Amino acid sequence: NAGVTQTPKFQVLKTGQSMTLQCAQDMNHEYMSWYRQDPGMGLRLIHYSVGAGITDQGEVPNGYNVSRSTTEDFPLRLLSAAPSQTSVYFCASSRTVLVEQYFGPGTRLTVT
Amino acid sequence: DAKTTQPNSMESNEEEPVHLPCNHSTISGTDYIHWYRQLPSQGPEYVIHGLTSNVNNRMASLAIAEDRKSSTLILHRATLRDAAVYYCILGAYNNNDMRFGAGTRLTVKP
Repeated sequence: NAGVTQTPKFQVLKTGQSMTLQCAQDMNHEYMSWYRQDPGMGLRLIHYSVGAGITDQGEVPNGYNVSRSTTEDFPLRLLSAAPSQTSVYFCASSRTVLVEQYFGPGTRLTVT
Repeated sequence: DAKTTQPNSMESNEEEPVHLPCNHSTISGTDYIHWYRQLPSQGPEYVIHGLTSNVNNRMASLAIAEDRKSSTLILHRATLRDAAVYYCILGAYNNNDMRFGAGTRLTVKP
């Protein structure tokens, strides 16, 4: 049981480039979410999904897109990277909304 | 949105109990109290959650005030591996609005 996996671990982008952060879970959890964590700060919710085919915006959704075609995968797309998106990104999943979320190890993204 | 207030930092000695406080005076009747912790360079880790009654699990205990305006996370015997940032978060059961604040940075001294 791998839990929540995220790839890549590290990524450097130039301003304007696009990329997809991958997130997968093997616990058959319905709920998945993406957070970002800026240095010295708490996590902020970007997007979330309560099941395959259903997504919604969190606190800071601008500049990010998500889709949920399967229960297992929840990729996060940066459409046109900006330096303000330099952060550590965490994916999480849980059986039900909010309760006992399992977090991945994070992706450290730097945009120059 | 209901918010929480936690001390920025706390220190503890190894093998002693630790009481981490959290104030949430604007909590609503449907808000659960969740605790997560984040070890250095890792993703957050679920610790415990509760609604009204005190809760115990293998990691910690959660003591909730009778008026629910405050709660305390209790680590019964701190170890060096418990050094982390501890987040107290409010969230309604079916409302996806989980806001992580700055948390309390716990230092455990040997």
